[in-house]
Amino acid sequence: ETGVTQSPTHLIKTRGQQVTLRCSSQSGHNTVSWYQQALGQGPQFIFQYYREEENGRGNFPPRFSGLQFPNYSSELNVNALELDDSALYLCASSLYWGDEQYFGPGTRLTVT
Amino acid sequence: AQSVAQPEDQVNVAEGNPLTVKCTYSVSGNPYLFWYVQYPNRGLQFLLKYITGDNLVKGSYGFEAEFNKSQTSFHLKKPSALVSDSALYFCAVRDGNTGNQFYFGTGTSLTVIP
Repeated sequence: ETGVTQSPTHLIKTRGQQVTLRCSSQSGHNTVSWYQQALGQGPQFIFQYYREEENGRGNFPPRFSGLQFPNYSSELNVNALELDDSALYLCASSLYWGDEQYFGPGTRLTVT
Repeated sequence: AQSVAQPEDQVNVAEGNPLTVKCTYSVSGNPYLFWYVQYPNRGLQFLLKYITGDNLVKGSYGFEAEFNKSQTSFHLKKPSALVSDSALYFCAVRDGNTGNQFYFGTGTSLTVIP
C-alpha cells in the first residue's frame, strides 16, 4: 500500500509568482484535503476534494485553487504569491470525506 | 464557531510516568475528534479517533483518549511514556454540520525525559 506522496519537497518562489503543488493520495482513497501549516501553528484547512469536486473550503482567498484528477491525485495552485504564503503545505487523503486522514510529508514553500 | 484548544504548548514527563496531553473543543453537532502526532521532518500520523460509543478510545502505540462531553474535552493519555513518544501532538475536530472541515489545535510539544 503506497502512502500519500507530495512534490516537490521544497520550493522557493518570488512574490507575485504562481505555484503548483502536487499530491498523490493513498491507494483506494477518493478524498484529498489540503492544509497550510505556518511555523509553530496547527494545520489550517484550505479545501477538500471528493471525487473530483470541491467538497468544502476554509477561509482562504480565491487565489488558492485546486484540482482533483480521475485517479484522485490532486493539485494545489496558488496565484499572486505573498510573503505570508510561506508555509508547509500538507496534503491528506481519506477513504471517506469525514474520516481520519493520512498525511503526506508536505511541501515547504518559501516566498521571497 | 468551531475551534480546538490545546492549552499547553509544552509538556515534559519522565520516562515510565503516565502522560496527558490536553484538548478542549467547540463544535456544532456531534463531535468527531482525532489525535495526530508529528515527528520532526515527517507528516502527521493518525493516532486515534472518537466518533461514538465508549468514551475511552484506544489507538496506536499504546495511546488512548477520553471523551468527556460535559467538559468538551478529549485528552490524550498513555500509562507509561517512552522517550520515543517525544513529538508534536495535534488534536483535531471535524465540523459537525458539514463534516468536511477539520479544525486543528496549535499543537503540544511532548518531551519524555530519560
